[in-house]
Amino acid sequence: DTAVSQTPKYLVTQMGNDKSIKCEQNLGHDTMYWYKQDSKKFLKIMFSYNNKELIINETVPNRFSPKSPDKAHLNLHINSLELGDSAVYFCASSPSGAPNYGYTFGSGTRLTVV
Amino acid sequence: QKEVEQDPGPLSVPEGAIVSLNCTYSNSAFQYFMWYRQYSRKGPELLMYTYSSGNKEDGRFTAQVDKSSKYISLFIRDSQPSDSATYLCAMKDTGGGNKLTFGTGTQLKVEL
Repeated sequence: DTAVSQTPKYLVTQMGNDKSIKCEQNLGHDTMYWYKQDSKKFLKIMFSYNNKELIINETVPNRFSPKSPDKAHLNLHINSLELGDSAVYFCASSPSGAPNYGYTFGSGTRLTVV
Repeated sequence: QKEVEQDPGPLSVPEGAIVSLNCTYSNSAFQYFMWYRQYSRKGPELLMYTYSSGNKEDGRFTAQVDKSSKYISLFIRDSQPSDSATYLCAMKDTGGGNKLTFGTGTQLKVEL
């Protein structure tokens, strides 16, 4: 009964490869997010979708492409992986228009590019 | 300079101590203020939420917001080893998108 689930939990891959991370939430939330957490624990937003529509697209390389097939799913595809992409990627969700609820985060995908 | 600044620690305290965690921010448009707790190898979880200025108490936790000084605090009373985690402040303005801006987190260790 996990609220926000991400797969895989760990991903080790070589430079230049393409990989995807999947996220699903069963909370009925309208908005989903991808955040990147670097080695110093700094969380920075990458993308946000509301009801399958992209509403936030921060300065992220074009190699990163989010896809939301429905409001319960938000996937992240990364092309031509680079060493600097190594980080923990968190998916989160929230009810739209309700900042007091904050986000519910998944447990993260630890990506290591070698 | 980041929009939200937070001392990264680590902060080490004995069990039972009162812990004070702080964040400063530069964006006066921030209206919603939150504290998240993140255990090692887990996702952040919402601990406290405050709108605008004032105090909010929940059990051993008290959140304070001073918008005039652009300063927020989280106090933990009677700290326990289970409180050992990274604490992240987060803020949001009234604009659309529900985007949260996070501090860098303070690592707390409560020792027996």
